Amino acid sequence: DAGVIQSPRHEVTEMGQEVTLRCKLISGHNSLFWYRQTMMRGLELLIYFNNNVPIDDSGMPEDRFSAKMPNASFSTLKIQPSEPRDSAVYFCASSGTGNQPQHFGDGTRLSIL
Amino acid sequence: AQTVTQSQPEMSVQEAETVTLSCTYDTSENNYYLFWYKQPPSRQMILVIRQEAYKQQNATENRFSVNFQKAAKSFSLKISDSQLGDTAMYFCAFTETFSGTYKYIFGTGTRLKVLA
Repeated sequence: DAGVIQSPRHEVTEMGQEVTLRCKLISGHNSLFWYRQTMMRGLELLIYFNNNVPIDDSGMPEDRFSAKMPNASFSTLKIQPSEPRDSAVYFCASSGTGNQPQHFGDGTRLSIL
Repeated sequence: AQTVTQSQPEMSVQEAETVTLSCTYDTSENNYYLFWYKQPPSRQMILVIRQEAYKQQNATENRFSVNFQKAAKSFSLKISDSQLGDTAMYFCAFTETFSGTYKYIFGTGTRLKVLA
């Protein structure tokens, strides 16, 4: 079975540019989580969806960040405009119903110059 | 609010020895789930083991086992016969239920180094 697929694996761009991170859920999963990992702050939950509906976006740092699920198997996390402090590894994870564990993608390492 | 605490930022163990990583959590709920994830240098987040709070029996997965003490709100991970490939960051995670979705709360991690 294919796992959670994230793209790109690495992204380097200049500040002010728009950045779009992509995530494909495991087939049959209905919950989607976006995390950000940095040395200073560890692993932070940004937003999560259940059945395509955003449930809690309290972790989204600023209005520059937005996330969507245009369909049940795909999600995007967009940063516009990007800033150097957004540099981090961004993970998405998906899970099935109930107490199923979260399965993580390999992450996107984002560097904003 | 629920919290997860991993009090050991770094640990090391000799190959083939046993090591225990500690995790405590705080919650007022009675039903919840606990997990240990491993993040090797490749940065993948890999599920190691999970425990349902309603089960008294400690979960085991090959060389990995937990010591779940519900009253003490403690959930430690024991790695037996440590191998070089066990070198990684280990994260303890707790799930709460919210609108039917299981939101994870992660600890800050313990960096484990297995020495040859």
